Order: sequence, then C-alpha cells, then structure tokens
Amino acid sequence: AQKITQTQPGMFVQEKEAVTLDCTYDTSDQSYGLFWYKQPSSGEMIFLIYQGSYDEQNATEGRYSLNFQKARKSANLVISASQLGDSAMYFCAMREAGYSTLTFGKGTMLLVSP
Amino acid sequence: GAVVSQHPSRVICKSGTSVKIECRSLDFQATTMFWYRQFPKKSLMLMATSNEGSKATYEQGVEKDKFLINHASLTLSTLTVTSAHPEDSSFYICSAILAGGSYEQYFGPGTRLTVT
Repeated sequence: AQKITQTQPGMFVQEKEAVTLDCTYDTSDQSYGLFWYKQPSSGEMIFLIYQGSYDEQNATEGRYSLNFQKARKSANLVISASQLGDSAMYFCAMREAGYSTLTFGKGTMLLVSP
Repeated sequence: GAVVSQHPSRVICKSGTSVKIECRSLDFQATTMFWYRQFPKKSLMLMATSNEGSKATYEQGVEKDKFLINHASLTLSTLTVTSAHPEDSSFYICSAILAGGSYEQYFGPGTRLTVT
C-alpha cells in the first residue's frame, strides 16, 4: 500500500485564486512528520511547510497552510493568492518515527494561469 | 544556512564509462546524506542512505556495485555510477541531515545525468 497518496496528477488555478493540493497518508505510528516540497522545472526541491503529528495547530508559512486532519489522515496544502511563480510540481512526504528517511507521494503538477 | 550543493549540475557521459557526483553540505556538518533518483515527471525514489564513516544502506532493488556511495567526511558524499548505461540516465538528488539536529532534510539542486 502506498504510504503517501496524491490523487491529483495536475491542477490548474488562476492567478490570485486559492488552490488545495490533496495528500493522504498511511501509517500506524503515533509520531510522524508531514512535509510539502515544491519542485520547479529547475529541479531543486524547495521545502514549503512541515506538520508534526502532535502539533495541534495547522502549520502556516506565508501563503502556504497545511490543512491537517489527523483522523482522516490527510495533510492538504493550501496555497492562497496563487502567483505565476507557483507553477511547479508539489510533493507531499512523510517521515515516520525512528526513521530519518522521507517517503514521497507521486506529486501534483500545478499550473497557474494569468 | 543549511545549503547543500551538488557537482556537476549536468553531465553527459558515454556508455560504459563511470561518472562521479558530489554532494556537499556547505555550512553545516551532515552525519547522514541521502541519494535519490528521479525519472521525468515521477517522484523521488530513495536509492541509499549514506552515513559518514560507514557503509551506505541501499534500498531494495538498487545495485550497490553499480551505484557506489562514499561518505568520507561530514560534509561530502559521492555517488559513482559505474559502467553507465543509457537506462541510468536520470536526475539524481542528494539531501543531508544536520548533525545533532532534527531530521530536517536539506536538498541539493540535483544532477542531470545523460548516458549516450
């Protein structure tokens, strides 16, 4: 079974609109961390936001927020006020307790149009 | 802070030759580095975990004799693709964990390998 599922291969959004990128995860651990990364066409992996499983508040970083619903095992990324520069591949990832490795989802390609 | 570099950024080599990719943590010491492989429009797949001063731990299905990893210092890990073939063409990304810190991974900019 996949540990990280991103069901949207591609998403389109107009500039200045908000967009939600879906991510569900599968783990039996109580302690884990969830990450979102952005990968533009240049290839670099840019860290966006982190949510710990014990964090009670949803993580926010500027225009990025993470809608963490623990019971549903979902960690959706919300990008507010989309910009053209947000067009990129977005990966959700999880780190489970006791491991330093990350497991990545298949990614969602976001295209922002003017 | 926490910058990771990779060299080269792009490399083209002939089939049968070997190519070395370097991953350096520029402003921190990294006890653990990771090597990923990424095919076009696909996700990152972990190839191996590299610990300073010890042998790398390879993921299932990754040939350790083909992908040689050396982590000789706290700031440098190298991946050598031996006897490269066209199917080894891919985007290789490394990441590093801050020694004594959290498990936050800092990624390098990647190396695009093309084997002709």
